[in-house]
Parts: sequence; structure tokens; C-alpha cells
Amino acid sequence: QVQLVQSGPEVRKPGASLKVSCKASGYTFSDHYTHWLRQAPGQGLQWMGRIDSYGGGTTYGQRFQGRVTITRDTSIGTAYMELSGLTSDDTAVYYCARQVCTVGTCYLDYWGLGTLVTVSS
Amino acid sequence: SYEVTQPPSVSVSPGQTATISCSGDQLGYKAVSWYQQKPGQSPVVVIYMDTKRPSGIPERFSGSNSGDTATLTITGTQAMDEADYYCQTWDSSTVVLGGGTKLTVL
Repeated sequence: QVQLVQSGPEVRKPGASLKVSCKASGYTFSDHYTHWLRQAPGQGLQWMGRIDSYGGGTTYGQRFQGRVTITRDTSIGTAYMELSGLTSDDTAVYYCARQVCTVGTCYLDYWGLGTLVTVSS
Repeated sequence: SYEVTQPPSVSVSPGQTATISCSGDQLGYKAVSWYQQKPGQSPVVVIYMDTKRPSGIPERFSGSNSGDTATLTITGTQAMDEADYYCQTWDSSTVVLGGGTKLTVL
């Protein structure tokens, strides 16, 4: 069965950086793009970016450009999301999700359970 | 950049039909997916490609997309359907998400 297992909760101080991992199992990792999204407390979902798990190409959301880096290690089927210059506004649950494509579109069919990141001095 | 808009909240009585809209410029020319998120849980796709239901999603969930508006319809709404719902489309290679709609079943 498809699973996306994310790393555990993190606490960071303002100005620090953060790296969250997402380990895939139950499918061929390089066959699917991996996305990262986040959700601040009581707020909606925000899309951060995605990575082509095969070729490594990335696309980032405009609001995160220059501050987020998404990478992957195909040898261990894991994607990573690194966010720099943290502020309290980055306190959120961070999700990874698998992209699947059908004729006409792509969507996110499996999601990790989320990683809670707290930014506090 | 492309944007889509959802109403913040929708209320429906049990057994009735709930409709949640998602509006954007010529959205009908784009493919729309819908995600359900219950408190403390990860989102789950309930509709993709405007009208398709993934396996395991009840038949009471349906979707449409035409003109500037995509719609998620829940027929015979149940208490378990109370959740936040997000529409999603694409703008070139970037994901575009609506702000979410809180569905209350009362």
C-alpha cells in the first residue's frame, strides 16, 4: 500500500532553517512527482512546490520562491523540503503528497500525515 | 497569477444537497479537483478531472465545471461529510488552491 512517512515535529527559532523529509513506499518513487503544501493553524492549504522525482526538476510557488528548496534522493525514495529564514508565520503543518496523472489532468492522490513545525523564540 | 475563489462557509441539513462553488476566470477550460479535509486529518481527494470519483468515494459526491465556476455537489449529505473542502486547479505547472469552504451539517 502507498505510504508517505514524514519526519517528526520540529521547533525552530526565528531566522533558522528547517528540513522535512517524506519517505515513500508501496510504489516506484521516481514514477511520480512529489508536492509540498502547508497549513497554518486555522488556515487553508498553501502550495509550496513540487519535484519531478525522476529528473529532479522543481517548480515553486511564487510566495516561497527564494526561500524553499525541494530535493529528493531516489536511492532511498525520499523527498525533502527545506525552508530558510523562518518567522512565526511559518508555524504550520507541512504535508507532502504524491501526484498522479490521468488523461487530461494530474492531482494529489496520497498525502503524508503532516509534520508540525513551530517557530518561536 | 491565476486565482480561484470559494465561499468561506456553507451550511446544509442532513439528507439535503450541499453545493460548494469554486470560481475563476474561464475555469471551465481547466481541470478541477476537490479535496476533503476533516479536523486533524490530511486532505483526501473526492473529485478529480471535474467529475471523476476516485475508488472508495461515495456516489453522493459529484462535480461539474463550466464557464467560470466549478461545483462540488453532495447529494443526501451526511453528518460525516462535515469538513473543509478545497478546490484545486493548475496554472501552467503550478498548483492553484481555493481558500477552502467549511461545510457544516446541521
